[in-house]
Amino acid sequence: SAVISQKPSRDICQRGTSLTIQCQVDSQVTMMFWYRQQPGQSLTLIATANQGSEATYESGFVIDKFPISRPNLTFSTLTVSNMSPEDSSIYLCSAGRGMVRQETQYFGPGTRLLVL
Amino acid sequence: QKEVEQNSGPLSVPEGAIASLNCTYSDRGSQSFFWYRQYSGKSPELIMFIYSNGDKEDGRFTAQLNKASQYVSLLIRDSQPSDSATYLCVVNLPTGGFKTIFGAGTRLFVKA
Repeated sequence: SAVISQKPSRDICQRGTSLTIQCQVDSQVTMMFWYRQQPGQSLTLIATANQGSEATYESGFVIDKFPISRPNLTFSTLTVSNMSPEDSSIYLCSAGRGMVRQETQYFGPGTRLLVL
Repeated sequence: QKEVEQNSGPLSVPEGAIASLNCTYSDRGSQSFFWYRQYSGKSPELIMFIYSNGDKEDGRFTAQLNKASQYVSLLIRDSQPSDSATYLCVVNLPTGGFKTIFGAGTRLFVKA
């Protein structure tokens, strides 16, 4: 398994500003992901964070709005840019080995974001 | 459209009963199936995974997979109030690697 930490754990931000969320894994993992979970909803994958290259974004998510970095195997950041109240959500980082039949993902505690 | 469908619930069972959670998926080639539990205000945590048709047991939990019917279920025996949570069915698509789809989750309430 992997232990994942995120910071900040929560934040309240003003419209139009940006917030960077950090994710740290305690062991080397192949795959890191960023999800969004809105109240009462399931998880929606934003993107796969790729080490040393641009992230792979899911439909409906773009790099200009959610720039992602992954400088090494154990660390990634997600920035929520030019925020609006619609970005209020929980943002979750996850990590896993990315191997066939070892696809289990381990989740960080999440970052609760409120945009006013 | 790749889909994983679950009854949103809430499913309410008395303490000590068997809770049965069900999930269907649309992509016939899906290979890996997971059940995660998510307590309110917490992040998801893995309960079980299953790859082969049939049953897989771990303590009070049994995962059942029927690929022909594209159906996966989770049984919780001797349900406890601490089992009250949302249970997420997760399917790994056959594109390889980590293309996963999360179901919307079923809320379970175990009444003491």
